[in-house]
Amino acid sequence: AQSVTQLDSHVSVSEGTPVLLRCNYSSSYSPSLFWYVQHPNKGLQLLLKYTSAATLVKGINGFEAEFKKSETSFHLTKPSAHMSDAAEYFCVVSDYGNNRLAFGKGNQVVVIP
Amino acid sequence: DAGVIQSPRHEVTEMGQEVTLRCKPISGHNSLFWYRQTMMRGLELLIYFNNNVPIDDSGMPEDRFSAKMPNASFSTLKIQPSEPRDSAVYFCASSLGWSNEQYFGPGTRLTVT
Repeated sequence: AQSVTQLDSHVSVSEGTPVLLRCNYSSSYSPSLFWYVQHPNKGLQLLLKYTSAATLVKGINGFEAEFKKSETSFHLTKPSAHMSDAAEYFCVVSDYGNNRLAFGKGNQVVVIP
Repeated sequence: DAGVIQSPRHEVTEMGQEVTLRCKPISGHNSLFWYRQTMMRGLELLIYFNNNVPIDDSGMPEDRFSAKMPNASFSTLKIQPSEPRDSAVYFCASSLGWSNEQYFGPGTRLTVT
């Protein structure tokens, strides 16, 4: 069965400094991986996705993530945090083998001016 | 495109009453998902459909919850009888293929008193 681990449920970063959100997954088969962002009182919005093409994936709003199969990781990064990045971020894995989706518990990001 | 449409946006009901939440997916999408989000439990996948057929309902909390998708453009999530612990925001999402990026609706905020 697949699972997703997001450490650090709350992350504080200063505006202008890098953002790093860690995601590790387990999957029986070659997965697709996603990062979603949820702003307050909104639904989730796709940031980026990995589907077995390039391992470095660029998304919206300056975010990117790198798929590392050997480390079973899909960490999300952004070089310089902006106040508008304050939100909750979810890592998701879809497993083709058993038609299952798994969500991480989310990272709540606070950006300090 | 109007996006995923959910109704009602807010629902307040008394314990023991039946509640029906509605979702209209994006036209052409063949997968539909229901989620529940609370502060305590975070985001939970309740059930998802592919081509109107329920594929994974392992997240449905108990028999009081039921979901249907009678056609490609409509789904309902019903709670009968409702309880205060069902208070949450319920999201519907759709995608083209169950393992692809999902588009979320604005959510229904349910309060059971």
